[in-house]
Amino acid sequence: NAGVTQTPKFRILKIGQSMTLQCTQDMNHNYMYWYRQDPGMGLKLIYYSVGAGITDKGEVPNGYNVSRSTTEDFPLRLELAAPSQTSVYFCASSYPGQGVDEQYFGPGTRLTVT
Amino acid sequence: GIQVEQSPPDLILQEGANSTLRCNFSDSVNNLQWFHQNPWGQLINLFYIPSGTKQNGRLSATTVATERYSLLYISSSQTTDSGVYFCAVNGGATNKLIFGTGTLLAVQP
Repeated sequence: NAGVTQTPKFRILKIGQSMTLQCTQDMNHNYMYWYRQDPGMGLKLIYYSVGAGITDKGEVPNGYNVSRSTTEDFPLRLELAAPSQTSVYFCASSYPGQGVDEQYFGPGTRLTVT
Repeated sequence: GIQVEQSPPDLILQEGANSTLRCNFSDSVNNLQWFHQNPWGQLINLFYIPSGTKQNGRLSATTVATERYSLLYISSSQTTDSGVYFCAVNGGATNKLIFGTGTLLAVQP
């Protein structure tokens, strides 16, 4: 099991560019999440998905889009990148069955927008 | 929404010392997790502990759900314990985690 994998590890974008952050999990988890972590802070939820074809906004969704066409993949799209989107992005997954909903995190993508 | 507060914000220990980290939350929760974020930024799951006590090696955690707090104990600390420790809770209808601002731990040799 690779767990949750994310690509790329690092990326520098110019203002106004777009990119997609990739996230894949091989644990057959139905729930997936995108968080961002700003320097010195905890993580904040951007978007989440409870299964293929179903997504919903989290706490800080502006400037991002997601899709969930398969159980395994949950890409995060940044359109018109802005300096405020400079952050570390974490993808996570969980399987809230049988009353246990432990989330597992990927290694993160460090994004700089200049 | 639920508020999560962690204390202390910073902690410096000598190798071999013990420590207790605290997490207070403002409402009842369905899920509470402790994470260690190492100096390379990786988030490592320590405990899934919405209630009760668990132990894993030198680490243990206790959550008293009725009093809305959780404690993380680190015994015989090692330099590899350095990093940021986060508490995160989920108390709503969705499964999203609300993170505290963390405790920055530095263990000196």
